Amino acid sequence: AQTVTQSQPEMSVQEAETVTLSCTYDTSESNYYLFWYKQPPSRQMILVIRQEAYKQQNATENRFSVNFQKAAKSFSLKISDSQLGDTAMYFCASGEKLVFGTGTRLLVSP
Amino acid sequence: DTGVSQDPRHKITKRGQNVTFRCDPISEHNRLYWYRQTLGQGPEFLTYFQNEAQLEKSRLLSDRFSAERPKGSFSTLEIQRTEQGDSAMYLCASSLERVVGPIQETQYFGPGTRLLVL
Repeated sequence: AQTVTQSQPEMSVQEAETVTLSCTYDTSESNYYLFWYKQPPSRQMILVIRQEAYKQQNATENRFSVNFQKAAKSFSLKISDSQLGDTAMYFCASGEKLVFGTGTRLLVSP
Repeated sequence: DTGVSQDPRHKITKRGQNVTFRCDPISEHNRLYWYRQTLGQGPEFLTYFQNEAQLEKSRLLSDRFSAERPKGSFSTLEIQRTEQGDSAMYLCASSLERVVGPIQETQYFGPGTRLLVL
């Protein structure tokens, strides 16, 4: 069975700073995908970034990038130049039938 | 593309009543998923469809739960004889899975239906 662990219940960062959210996972699959989803207070889940495990290059989407360490089964999300609109719950997920972590609440303050 | 929609957005019911939720996926998406999210937790997989076929049900989906996707388009999730423990956000997601190839496509989520059982 797949498991996803997020060990940071809450994180705070000031606007324009950089923050990294941690995620570790366990899977028996050889080819798999990893996702970071954002859930703002309105609760609509939005995809932030995805990573294919067979790709060594870390995925990047504008201010969002990942540090994918396959051997360590680690998949952290880096948010650069944080904005107030980044305030949300962030979930790491993996698997065809997505298995989610418990989430990290990120608060971006002015 | 209007995105995934769900109806109703909120539902309050009394214990023992039946409720039904609807999900309209992104048009032409062949996969449809149902998840349940309780307060402070990540979503948990309930069931999913490939077109009209229900391919898998989680152990979380008791006999009181039934889901359908009769024409491979919209889906309904019914909970019979609701219990207070059913109170949660019910999320629907859809994706367009290729028939050939190992690529896993992104799931796009709807706004959810928040259920409160009194």
